[in-house]
Amino acid sequence: DARVTQTPRHKVTEMGQEVTMRCQPILGHNTVFWYRQTMMQGLELLAYFRNRAPLDDSGMPKDRFSAEMPDATLATLKIQPSEPRDSAVYFCASGLSNEQFFGPGTRLTVL
Amino acid sequence: AQKITQTQPGMFVQEKEAVTLDCTYDTSDPSYGLFWYKQPSSGEMIFLIYQGSYDQQNATEGRYSLNFQKARKSANLVISASQLGDSAMYFCAMRVISTGTASKLTFGTGTRLQVTL
Repeated sequence: DARVTQTPRHKVTEMGQEVTMRCQPILGHNTVFWYRQTMMQGLELLAYFRNRAPLDDSGMPKDRFSAEMPDATLATLKIQPSEPRDSAVYFCASGLSNEQFFGPGTRLTVL
Repeated sequence: AQKITQTQPGMFVQEKEAVTLDCTYDTSDPSYGLFWYKQPSSGEMIFLIYQGSYDQQNATEGRYSLNFQKARKSANLVISASQLGDSAMYFCAMRVISTGTASKLTFGTGTRLQVTL
C-alpha cells in the first residue's frame, strides 16, 4: 500500500531555530507539493515540483523558507529562522496526473 | 484567479441518510478539475473523488458522487448512506489546467460533517 511519508510527525521548536521537514513521495509520482494548513488561512500551496524541478514557489516566504528535491525519493522544506507564525501543519502530497495523495503532515509548533 | 467557495461551515446528518455538501467555483479557464478531500480528526487528507471539466458524466466512487453542474459552476459532493466514520472535515478543491500551472490545487474553507445516530 503505497503512501506518502513525512517526518517528523510533530516538531516543537523555539523561535529562531532551523526546522527541516522531510517527505518521501510515492514511488513513480513525478509531482510533489508542499501545503500549509492553519485555522486562519486554511490550506495554502507553498511550492511544487515536477520531475524534481521547482515549478511554483510563489506561495512561500522566500526570505526564510526553502524547498528542494535532492532526489526523486526525498523532498525537503526548510524554515530558517522559524517564527511563531510558522506554526501550522505542513502537508506533502505527490501525484501523477489528476490525483494528489497527501502525507500525514508535520505539525509544527514554534514557541 | 481561481476561487472555491464552501458556504456550509458545518452540517449534521443522521446515520444512513444522504447528505450534500456544497461547493461552487470560479475560473475563466475552460479546462479544470474538481476534487473532494476528507480530513478526519487524525489530520490526514484523503482523496475522495475527481471530476474533469470535460467529463460528460458525473463522477462516482462508491458512496460518493459528485453533482457537477457546469453552467452553475457547482460541484457538490453527495454522500449516500452516511456512516459514523464519515464524520470529518470535507474540502473541495480545483486544479486549473493551463500551461505551466497544471496540478496546483486551490482549496475551499471546508465543511465539517457530523454524522449522528
